[in-house]
Formats: sequence, C-alpha cells, structure tokens
Amino acid sequence: QSALTQPASVSGSPGQSITISCTGTSSDVGGYNYVSWYQQHPGKGPKLMIYDVSSRPSGVSDRFSASKSGNAASLTISGLQAEDEADYYCSSYARGSTSPYVFGTGTTVTVL
Amino acid sequence: EVQLVESGGGLVQPGGSLRLSCVASGFSFSTSYIHWVRQAPGKGLEFVSGISAIGDYTHYSKSVKGRFTISRDNSKNTLYLQMGSLRPEDEAVYYCAREGIPKAFDVWGQGTAVTVSS
Repeated sequence: QSALTQPASVSGSPGQSITISCTGTSSDVGGYNYVSWYQQHPGKGPKLMIYDVSSRPSGVSDRFSASKSGNAASLTISGLQAEDEADYYCSSYARGSTSPYVFGTGTTVTVL
Repeated sequence: EVQLVESGGGLVQPGGSLRLSCVASGFSFSTSYIHWVRQAPGKGLEFVSGISAIGDYTHYSKSVKGRFTISRDNSKNTLYLQMGSLRPEDEAVYYCAREGIPKAFDVWGQGTAVTVSS
C-alpha cells in the first residue's frame, strides 16, 4: 500500500489562502470518511488539525477547513499566518490493507 | 494535562533489539486505543502498530510484522514496543499517539529516536 500523494511544497503570502491536496485510492480516502490532517513544526510531534474529513478538534482555528471528493481530500488554510509555516500530513483509515492507516507524503507550507 | 512521554530510544546494531515505552497521563489510558507511528530522518509519517484499550486487538504494518510486538500495562499507564531484528530502515523517531477520536490521532508524544547502525 502506497502513501497518499501530497504536493511537496505550497507557499503563500500572509493573509492569502492555500490548499493542500491529498490523493489516495478507493481503498483508503475514497472508501471511508476517516481522513485526518496533521500539522508538524520542526522537532515537534504532529498535531491533529482535522478529523472525519472536515471536523476540527476543539482549539483549532477555523482558518483551517477541509473536504473530500472521491479519492482526493484537501486542506485549506485561510488568512495565512506566519505560525502556519509547518509540514502538513493527511492520513486515512484503510481497513484490510497492509496497514490500517496510511499517511500522506507530506507538504511543507512556507509563508512568504 | 493530557500527555504522552516516550523513552527507550538509542543506538542499536543491525539485528539487535530495543524496547520503547510510552507513559500516559491526564486521561483514561485504560480505555484508549494507542498507536506507534514513526518518522525516518527527513521523511514522512508511517503507521507502525496499534493496540486496543484492553490489549485484545493489535495491528502492525507489513514492514514490521513479525519483528515488532506492541503491548500495554494499564496498571502502569504504559505502552510498549518491543523491536527485534532491527534494520537500518527502522531508524526513525518513534511517536506514540492516542486514538481519542475514532480513526484519528488526537494526542502525540514528543518522540524517541532510534538509530540502527554498526
């Protein structure tokens, strides 16, 4: 089972909106509404930003939103801020495959 | 404060063994599904293993199945990962993570680094 495909990098200016894509298959992203997104700053553990495709945990800014269509999911960061500069990973449940969870390849977000 | 703290990482020779620990605090460990996720240097996240709340169900990635064993001691709020037959490709930072929301990891530790080298 391969990792979910994400762009290696995305950049934007403060205040702009950016979108990160996450492409999988019908065995993972397309098969379940269990897509989650994680933010990771250098040297830190990941932080859950989105679960169940589009739900935000308590404490996560509403500037973060997400959706899914078919085998692809996406994360949008609106009103980009310097603190949003980090690596972002999508993940999906994938029952019956070689691993119950598969992560994306990761996207580095740069705030210009 | 809800917290997971990993330990036990270090330098080990190829073919060697190592046991990682993850101590939980601030939440009901005995009712939580807990997982190990690793990250090789400069690489992305990779699911390693998971265990149900009472330890009756375990899951492993294909890359570690048969070499790693996950276990837990709910009386000590501690998760373990016994790693054997270690390979250079097992070199990574190992994180424990709570599945506090179904199919999502809502609490992560700071990680413990494993280096596999002769």
